[in-house]
Amino acid sequence: GQNIDQPTEMTATEGAIVQINCTYQTSGFNGLFWYQQHAGEAPTFLSYNVLDGLEEKGRFSSFLSRSKGYSYLLLKELQMKDSASYLCAVEKDSNYQLIWGAGTKLIIKP
Amino acid sequence: ETGVTQSPTHLIKTRGQQVTLRCSSQSGHNTVSWYQQALGQGPQFIFQYYREEENGRGNFPPRFSGLQFPNYSSELNVNALELDDSALYLCASSLSRTGRPLHFGNGTRLTVT
Repeated sequence: GQNIDQPTEMTATEGAIVQINCTYQTSGFNGLFWYQQHAGEAPTFLSYNVLDGLEEKGRFSSFLSRSKGYSYLLLKELQMKDSASYLCAVEKDSNYQLIWGAGTKLIIKP
Repeated sequence: ETGVTQSPTHLIKTRGQQVTLRCSSQSGHNTVSWYQQALGQGPQFIFQYYREEENGRGNFPPRFSGLQFPNYSSELNVNALELDDSALYLCASSLSRTGRPLHFGNGTRLTVT
């Protein structure tokens, strides 16, 4: 089967650092996406990892380990506007379709 | 550059009815994918259209159908609506069928009563 797991909800403090984990088991793997989704809005693209390792993009970084079926999204210097759901999605190699996790709701407190 | 636009924003239908949702892809994008997102869940792939032809389908029954037009806009049609069809329907466009990343519209919130 295909399975993508993320924590349902996380809470962090403004200015701090938070790591959101994603583990996956899929039949086929091209790469892994992270998207941000504010309530009632469209998902917006954050990162795409194909190779193992850490990719840094401003306050956001994403890590991938293909052998472990594991990824994380690291958010630094948290701001109140970072309160949103963070969705992990695996791109399968057969047809480029995305398999999505249920998302992690991140709550930022002052 | 115009982004992905979807209409209507919200819709309320009765069980058994039919609904058509519309999507205009981002300028220059020839591929449209449709997703269903239930509350508190990740999006579920319905199907993808590339150059007016269906290019892959998820685990949805035949009463979910679609079209893509020569200008690459798209429609999602759902017949014989069921209560479980209540969800946010997202349209995403990309430069090609393998284009990354997907650019999403704000979705249509469908409520079936």
